[in-house]
Amino acid sequence: GAVVSQHPSWVICKSGTSVKIECRSLDFQATTMFWYRQFPKQSLMLMATSNEGSKATYEQGVEKDKFLINHASLTLSTLTVTSAHPEDSSFYICSAWDSNQPQHFGDGTRLSIL
Amino acid sequence: QKEVEQNSGPLSVPEGAIASLNCTYSDRGSQSFFWYRQYSGKSPELIMSIYSNGDKEDGRFTAQLNKASQYVSLLIRDSQPSDSATYLCAAQGGEGAQKLVFGQGTRLTINP
Repeated sequence: GAVVSQHPSWVICKSGTSVKIECRSLDFQATTMFWYRQFPKQSLMLMATSNEGSKATYEQGVEKDKFLINHASLTLSTLTVTSAHPEDSSFYICSAWDSNQPQHFGDGTRLSIL
Repeated sequence: QKEVEQNSGPLSVPEGAIASLNCTYSDRGSQSFFWYRQYSGKSPELIMSIYSNGDKEDGRFTAQLNKASQYVSLLIRDSQPSDSATYLCAAQGGEGAQKLVFGQGTRLTINP
């Protein structure tokens, strides 16, 4: 199946730090990438949809100035959590998609803000 | 509000038995349906996709889709302890276009 690489897998940092997470599709060109957040014992919550070369579309309630998304190429999207606080601690997961196949997920990034 | 509903479980099944997971969806425009398996602390892994009415089999897994009833199911035959995980049903298409709408997940435990 398709391979989506997400990096880093685990981040611990101090409150106020900005954290960048990368998502790469390794064997196909992803026209669209999605960013999700998952809290313990809950399902995935879609944060934003990112199309290559255009601005991301954020879901209701997600602050676009706090969660900066860049999708500069068909194989790379980044999510930057700006000025992270403890309540931003979560499991962040990206997925990549094109019209020829289902969404495939990266391995996720566990973010812990102290 | 487009929704996907799953029985949240937990569902407990003895090893070797058939595990049956169910899902309903509200958006009649949904065209594609997926089952993902998620182990604790890991990201979801695609195990089945289904696009047309009927059954689709892949090894021990069978997905069933009934668009008239807006119902999707997953059967796992000869259940193994390694099948213990949370199973997420997802629908795509309709008003949400390429977005996946996830159910809340069903936690499945296979007892040796």
